[in-house]
Amino acid sequence: QKEVEQDPGPLSVPEGAIVSLNCTYSNSAFQYFMWYRQYSRKGPELLMYTYSSGNKEDGRFTAQVDKSSKYISLFIRDSQPSDSATYLCAMSGSNYKLTFGKGTLLTVNP
Amino acid sequence: GAVVSQHPSRVICKSGTSVKIECRSLDFQATTMFWYRQFPKQSLMLMATSNEGSKATYEQGVEKDKFLINHASLTLSTLTVTSAHPEDSSFYICSARDHGRANTEAFFGQGTRLTVV
Repeated sequence: QKEVEQDPGPLSVPEGAIVSLNCTYSNSAFQYFMWYRQYSRKGPELLMYTYSSGNKEDGRFTAQVDKSSKYISLFIRDSQPSDSATYLCAMSGSNYKLTFGKGTLLTVNP
Repeated sequence: GAVVSQHPSRVICKSGTSVKIECRSLDFQATTMFWYRQFPKQSLMLMATSNEGSKATYEQGVEKDKFLINHASLTLSTLTVTSAHPEDSSFYICSARDHGRANTEAFFGQGTRLTVV
């Protein structure tokens, strides 16, 4: 079993839809959870950062962490064509070494 | 937010030559920087952890003599791909944390696309 599992998609939705992305993990030592957005041939851009369990909201984005289930989610409300990208979940323990999911390719169609 | 600058963004080199990639933290100090490699349609794989003033820590399967890492200051780490071969062609990305702030996220550079011909 891989440390971090993420469905690679691709995921295609119409503009305005609510997008749900998620990852599962097996390492109970993970305590920092992140979502990155990566456009083609660019470095990852941090979207959301959560320490331990709970929810965090930032504009149209909501991140959820359920450590008991080892499950994290990212929700995108009112999705826009500009949200089309690959979304990567990442997590780390106290050593800050990130373990990434494979990424989910999202396309938002106008 | 914090800015990490990576240079060059793209490089093409001949097989057998060496290539140096720079990673700079522009507005914070980073005692630790990380180097990742990403193949097409794959996730980022950690190659090594770069520690300021000491030797880098390499992940299993990564050749330390091939991928030389130097972290000479709190704002600069370099990755040198020595005697590059076509199979080294990949997207290399660095990241850094602000060591002055606890529990903070890592910021990534723009990435370097290396093509070995």
